[in-house]
Amino acid sequence: DAKTTQPTSMDCAEGRAANLPCNHSTISGNEYVYWYRQIHSQGPQYIIHGLKNNETNEMASLIITEDRKSSTLILPHATLRDTAVYYCIVTGVQGAQKLVFGQGTRLTINP
Amino acid sequence: GAVVSQHPSRVICKSGTSVKIECRSLDFQATTMFWYRQFPKQSLMLMATSNEGSKATYEQGVEKDKFLINHASLTLSTLTVTSAHPEDSSFYICSARDWRGGNTGELFFGEGSRLTVL
Repeated sequence: DAKTTQPTSMDCAEGRAANLPCNHSTISGNEYVYWYRQIHSQGPQYIIHGLKNNETNEMASLIITEDRKSSTLILPHATLRDTAVYYCIVTGVQGAQKLVFGQGTRLTINP
Repeated sequence: GAVVSQHPSRVICKSGTSVKIECRSLDFQATTMFWYRQFPKQSLMLMATSNEGSKATYEQGVEKDKFLINHASLTLSTLTVTSAHPEDSSFYICSARDWRGGNTGELFFGEGSRLTVL
């Protein structure tokens, strides 16, 4: 079973910041938080991941709470192309460690 | 560019036939690959873990004789849907972890293969 809880859907206006929450209250000390997104009929796309520090890359920022029980993915300036299903996943990073997907958040960016 | 490639992207077959889907890691070696399936409007469901040089590990409820997985090299894993039926119609996706970036390897996904069984 997935170890994360996300809202089913969210809307955001184009050009605004999209903040996607994720609860992972049972995360263990050696598990990372990964975010992927899936645009219709494509394979999932890696966005970002982190352990306990906040992370930022060219796509997004990841804010992890101090107790690591929740996190927020931030898309700073959402565009229409950011409309997708966003998955928050908790996993270890050994080679055979598998990713178990929950239902994700369907983010719709509105013009 | 894509680091994990799947082929074919779409396949239509008749009921009772077998279909092979290939998953290749580009520019890196993958001792482990993962196979998922996805039905419309649903999330990805992990089917099995493909291990190079050994037997695949199947998730509970996935028939290993139905979904044959072969991982004969460090860059190629294949999924064969044997005696396919209409209920096997789905989007099949593979993934592999790239460790080149350091200790926390990103898991990259292929483009997916859409199987339609008539």
